[in-house]
Amino acid sequence: QQQVKQSPQSLIVQKGGISIINCAYENTAFDYFPWYQQFPGKGPALLIAIRPDVSEKKEGRFTISFNKSAKQFSLHIMDSQPGDSATYFCAALEEGSARQLTFGSGTQLTVLP
Amino acid sequence: AAGVIQSPRHLIKEKRETATLKCYPIPRHDTVYWYQQGPGQDPQFLISFYEKMQSDKGSIPDRFSAQQFSDYHSELNMSSLELGDSALYFCASSLGRSQETQYFGPGTRLLVL
Repeated sequence: QQQVKQSPQSLIVQKGGISIINCAYENTAFDYFPWYQQFPGKGPALLIAIRPDVSEKKEGRFTISFNKSAKQFSLHIMDSQPGDSATYFCAALEEGSARQLTFGSGTQLTVLP
Repeated sequence: AAGVIQSPRHLIKEKRETATLKCYPIPRHDTVYWYQQGPGQDPQFLISFYEKMQSDKGSIPDRFSAQQFSDYHSELNMSSLELGDSALYFCASSLGRSQETQYFGPGTRLLVL
């Protein structure tokens, strides 16, 4: 059972458009929510992260929106570029000593030139 | 900046053989995590180590074992390999067990024939 549910599975966006990827979780013990970007054959790279006491975090073209009551969070990529084409994973960390990442199922983003 | 190093990058084995994957964390990082990523799947947590002691255990098969050495590098030993073990194996490291940010290596692609 996927503890972190991610949608859509794939996304095609025109250059300059906005890419939106959504995630939902059930475990209220999660207290840290990172997004990872992965290119084919490479390891996941941390893109941006948020804690539940913040509703929004922006870094450059990337914004996380967080809705604690709905247990949902999303990644917005503004002015999407072909170089953004990659697989994006949302993830969650549970509070406490066990800091294993629980990943969503991934979204394959394609930005058309 | 130095990143996580994994070796080998590619490995081909026959069924029932053994394999050893190595991970060299970022200098000064004392926590190492192992993840398995099947084709088109999200990374699944296997096991983690902090200060050379096993910290947490995920979905690691009994046929696999791992350890962290005095220089903080880690090795994942896989025995009686099965076709289903074919996957990308990622190592990640962090500074301190409670740190949220995990830095991933480039992965080892294991193919079991």
